[in-house]
Amino acid sequence: DAKTTQPNSMESNEEEPVHLPCNHSTISGTDYIHWYRQLPSQGPEYVIHGLTSNVNNRMASLAIAEDRKSSTLILHRATLRDAAVYYCILRDDLDTDKLIFGTGTRLQVFP
Amino acid sequence: DTAVSQTPKYLVTQMGNDKSIKCEQNLGHDTMYWYKQDSKKFLKIMFSYNNKELIINETVPNRFSPKSPDKAHLNLHINSLELGDSAVYFCASSQVPSRTRETQYFGPGTRLLVL
Repeated sequence: DAKTTQPNSMESNEEEPVHLPCNHSTISGTDYIHWYRQLPSQGPEYVIHGLTSNVNNRMASLAIAEDRKSSTLILHRATLRDAAVYYCILRDDLDTDKLIFGTGTRLQVFP
Repeated sequence: DTAVSQTPKYLVTQMGNDKSIKCEQNLGHDTMYWYKQDSKKFLKIMFSYNNKELIINETVPNRFSPKSPDKAHLNLHINSLELGDSAVYFCASSQVPSRTRETQYFGPGTRLLVL
């Protein structure tokens, strides 16, 4: 399974933008980039995913490098509720359906 | 209207006991999963079922036996509980397997503590 590398932790102030990086230098052409997050004492929840083009939804934006070896999850205005562990996950179109979680990035948001 | 629900939320038991965790989803999904999150917060898949059929069975001791009575339910039975089984167990569901665009929806977790 292609691997991802994320910083262990990041900090932000409330209402500031947050850029969460993810490196995936061994990504293959059929790998989709997914982001999930896990709020304290809750199950993971889907955030966003993409293949090649940048993606936006109501929760976040996903910026994918042209060579696809890295991506950045962008929270436009962090709130206290965004404090969570963010996981960047590669899903192979040819593989089974399991999600393979790494260690993720723990985001702290300060008021 | 909870999409994926699990019972119980907390489970404290003695070593050697047998226990079950139940999961139900009301999303009409075909596929359900069990994940385990250990004390170091590492989250790993254990099993997945599609329409009551086992699809994924990771390297899990055979003391763990999933059972899917229908596609809305996936239960996890654990025999002869050991200290190392202490973890948070998450159930999840998705519309179809083997599709990279399908979102998985997770339950709130069952916190199991084996004494």
